Amino acid sequence: QTVVTQEPSFSVSPGGTVTLTCALNSGSVSNDNYPSWYQQTPGQSPRTLIHGTSSRSSGVPDRFSGSILGNKAALTITGAQADDESDYYCVLYMGRGLWVFGGGTKLTVL
Amino acid sequence: EVQLVESGGGLVQPGGSLRLSCRASGFTFNNYWIHWVRQIPGKGLVWVSRINNDGTSISYADSVKGRFTISRDNAKNTAYLQMNNLRVEDAAVYFCVREFIDWGQGTLVTVSS
Repeated sequence: QTVVTQEPSFSVSPGGTVTLTCALNSGSVSNDNYPSWYQQTPGQSPRTLIHGTSSRSSGVPDRFSGSILGNKAALTITGAQADDESDYYCVLYMGRGLWVFGGGTKLTVL
Repeated sequence: EVQLVESGGGLVQPGGSLRLSCRASGFTFNNYWIHWVRQIPGKGLVWVSRINNDGTSISYADSVKGRFTISRDNAKNTAYLQMNNLRVEDAAVYFCVREFIDWGQGTLVTVSS
């Protein structure tokens, strides 16, 4: 069974940089997995930050960036702000029309 | 402005059925794939199903295969998720998503006796 793993929680200081990752239990993440990243606050729909590894969604500040780091997909937030405190999810395409979300990372800014 | 508006959620008994709708506007609907994603409140996102732009390619998560059916009517700019034989564990907010970029506001499905 395919499992997509994210850090359950992470903490960053205001103004700091943090990299969240998205890993596969069955191998390396690549551009072929079309990793996408979402930000969600309680009671709201997810907001798309990054799609297709590194394409920033419309209106998303350039301090959010996506990449492949080693064998994982990565979301880097540069210059973290208080309102970045949210849950962050990745999703990966696994082939044969199937997609799998990671369990999410709860980011604290303090 | 892209808009996706889900409807059709509600309370249903285990074993019952519901049909969710996703009405789209602000873009050329028949050019885009649509996904359904669900989320138990307070828990993570789970991919459920997707349909390609003309309805000829469909896929499902194992947890719903054989019980849920995704479809679309491009003339009505609407996608659907027919959910049969519902289980308690299917209770969640269901989101309609355009190509994993634009999200609707979700519709709540409650499965309880």
